[in-house]
Amino acid sequence: SQQGEEDPQALSIQEGENATMNCSYKTSINNLQWYRQNSGRGLVHLILIRSNEREKHSGRLRVTLDTSKKSSSLLITASRAADTASYFCATPNNNDMRFGAGTRLTVKP
Amino acid sequence: NAGVTQTPKFRVLKTGQSMTLLCAQDMNHEYMYWYRQDPGMGLRLIHYSVGEGTTAKGEVPDGYNVSRLKKQNFLLGLESAAPSQTSVYFCASSSPISGRTTDTQYFGPGTRLTVL
Repeated sequence: SQQGEEDPQALSIQEGENATMNCSYKTSINNLQWYRQNSGRGLVHLILIRSNEREKHSGRLRVTLDTSKKSSSLLITASRAADTASYFCATPNNNDMRFGAGTRLTVKP
Repeated sequence: NAGVTQTPKFRVLKTGQSMTLLCAQDMNHEYMYWYRQDPGMGLRLIHYSVGEGTTAKGEVPDGYNVSRLKKQNFLLGLESAAPSQTSVYFCASSSPISGRTTDTQYFGPGTRLTVL
C-alpha cells in the first residue's frame, strides 16, 4: 500500500511561475524524501527532510514538513521547461521506502 | 563511476517464459532494491537486500525471486512470466549512514518488460 500520496496528480504552469506539490502520509516518520523522474528515466533524489526539521532549501527547491498534519510540500520557484517531470514523495515503512503515485509537472516555455 | 546500471533495457517475453534482470552498482552500497512501476502508480517494492547473501520480501514479491551473491549485483528472476508482470522495473541502491534502509536511494535507468 502507498504511504505517501501526492496532490495534485498533474500540474501545468508557465515558465517562470512557481510550482507547489503536496504530499500526505499516514504513519509517523523519521524522514521524508522527494524524488524527480524525467520521462523514461530512473528516479533522482532531490531532497531529504528529517522529522525534526520544518523547512529545507536546495537551490530553487523549498520543502516543508508538518508532522502534526502528516504532510509535506515541495515548492519549485521560477520554474523552467527543464523542470518538466514527475515528482514523488517517499516515506519510510519499516525497512523500506514507500512512494506515492506522483505529481506530473509540465512547465510550458 | 557508472552508479546503478540495469541489463537489459527492454525485453519482450511470451507468457510462461523465464528471464533474469541484472542490476549492478559500483558505489559499494550495502542495500539494494527492486521496484516495479505501473502507469498511474508509484513505485512498488518487490524485494530488497540489506547485504551480500541476504534478501527480503517487499510489498509485491509474488512471481519473483532474487539473489545477491555478490555485493555489487542484485538479480531479479521471473520463473514463469505473466502478462500482469508487464511493467517498468527499477533497481536502486543505498548506503544508510544510520543503519536503516530508509535513506537516500540511487536508481538505475529501468528495464521495460512486456509479457505477451
